[in-house]
Amino acid sequence: DAKTTQPPSMDCAEGRAANLPCNHSTISGNEYVYWYRQIHSQGPQYIIHGLKNNETNEMASLIITEDRKSSTLILPHATLRDTAVYYCIVRGWGQGAQKLVFGQGTRLTINP
Amino acid sequence: ETGVTQTPRHLVMGMTNKKSLKCEQHLGHNAMYWYKQSAKKPLELMFVYNFKEQTENNSVPSRFSPECPNSSHLFLHLHTLQPEDSALYLCASSQDLISGGMGGEQYFGPGTRLTVT
Repeated sequence: DAKTTQPPSMDCAEGRAANLPCNHSTISGNEYVYWYRQIHSQGPQYIIHGLKNNETNEMASLIITEDRKSSTLILPHATLRDTAVYYCIVRGWGQGAQKLVFGQGTRLTINP
Repeated sequence: ETGVTQTPRHLVMGMTNKKSLKCEQHLGHNAMYWYKQSAKKPLELMFVYNFKEQTENNSVPSRFSPECPNSSHLFLHLHTLQPEDSALYLCASSQDLISGGMGGEQYFGPGTRLTVT
């Protein structure tokens, strides 16, 4: 699976949009971009995933660049409960693709 | 109950004890996973099960023994643990092992915080 690079920490004001970047310059054509988050001492929570088109769900939006070498997770109106570590993971499909390789992620702090 | 549940949530055990962690998923998934998260380290995959069959053992010491009696339940049997095994143990499930898009996402339980004294 491709390696991802994320900033170690970010701050965002409550009510503003939080934009979390992720670089995955070695991503291959059949690999998806997944985002998870982990609130302190809880299990990781699936947020969203995408292949090449932008995606939106009730939690967030995912913007993937045209060359697919980077992506941005957008939390449109951040709340204090969005404070967590956010993980960007690139993962393929097919036999042996079950591994989610978690890096260090971005620690997002939402400030009141 | 919905989602993925784990019991107990907290466990303190001595190095000579035997204990078991339980995971149950109510999502109708076919694949289940055990992960370990030590302090200030990324999550590490330990075991993978698909349709009750173990498909991956990520070089886990034999003092950790998984069991998957059916697609909804997963156990981790612990014996003769070391203090360095203290960690958050997380269970997850997914629809299957091969889906890359929808169906490929994993759903995690709240974890068991294990302390070995």
